[in-house]
Amino acid sequence: GDSVTQMEGPVTLSEEAFLTINCTYTATGYPSLFWYVQYPGEGLQLLLKATKADDKGSNKGFEATYRKETTSFHLEKGSVQVSDSAVYFCALIDNYGQNFVFGPGTRLSVLP
Amino acid sequence: NAGVTQTPKFRVLKTGQSMTLLCAQDMNHEYMYWYRQDPGMGLRLIHYSVGEGTTAKGEVPDGYNVSRLKKQNFLLGLESAAPSQTSVYFCASSYGVGRIAKNIQYFGAGTRLSVL
Repeated sequence: GDSVTQMEGPVTLSEEAFLTINCTYTATGYPSLFWYVQYPGEGLQLLLKATKADDKGSNKGFEATYRKETTSFHLEKGSVQVSDSAVYFCALIDNYGQNFVFGPGTRLSVLP
Repeated sequence: NAGVTQTPKFRVLKTGQSMTLLCAQDMNHEYMYWYRQDPGMGLRLIHYSVGEGTTAKGEVPDGYNVSRLKKQNFLLGLESAAPSQTSVYFCASSYGVGRIAKNIQYFGAGTRLSVL
């Protein structure tokens, strides 16, 4: 079945450092890909998405590019802030729009 | 605009007790979902619904039942709670029409359940 793999962390960075969180997926067909963020004590919120190969999703300084050849959707940010401390989930939805699969989540801590 | 609301926020049960978690959404979404979140395992789908009066099993349905009597509500029941059901439970909803943008899921704040 479909699956999502991502680095589990925790990832600890200093403020203004560059962030990469790796995500790879296994799916048949052409899934849509997502990054969700979960702040402490809250539910998940959509951060960005991409619906076809070579699409780039971006939001709040975060970016991820849908790479079908490497089945990857890595999350990047050029300069992290303390307020970016959260758990980040990579996810996909299959061709039929019903099977939503999440990765295990990566905890990011940004130190001042 | 409330979005997705879950009640209660916290609950402690003894083994064998029953309870119902309520999820309500005010976005007129067709699809609703129940997940559990455990350390190191991400979110796992328990049950979902693609419309009023319909439900389907997800990845980990055993020990849970659900009902979707009204479009805006999705109830998750534990008939006889077990310590293995200690987890954080999240409800989500989506438009569910088509595959692309409308399938963004909106999440509630979660219910933290402990079964002793």
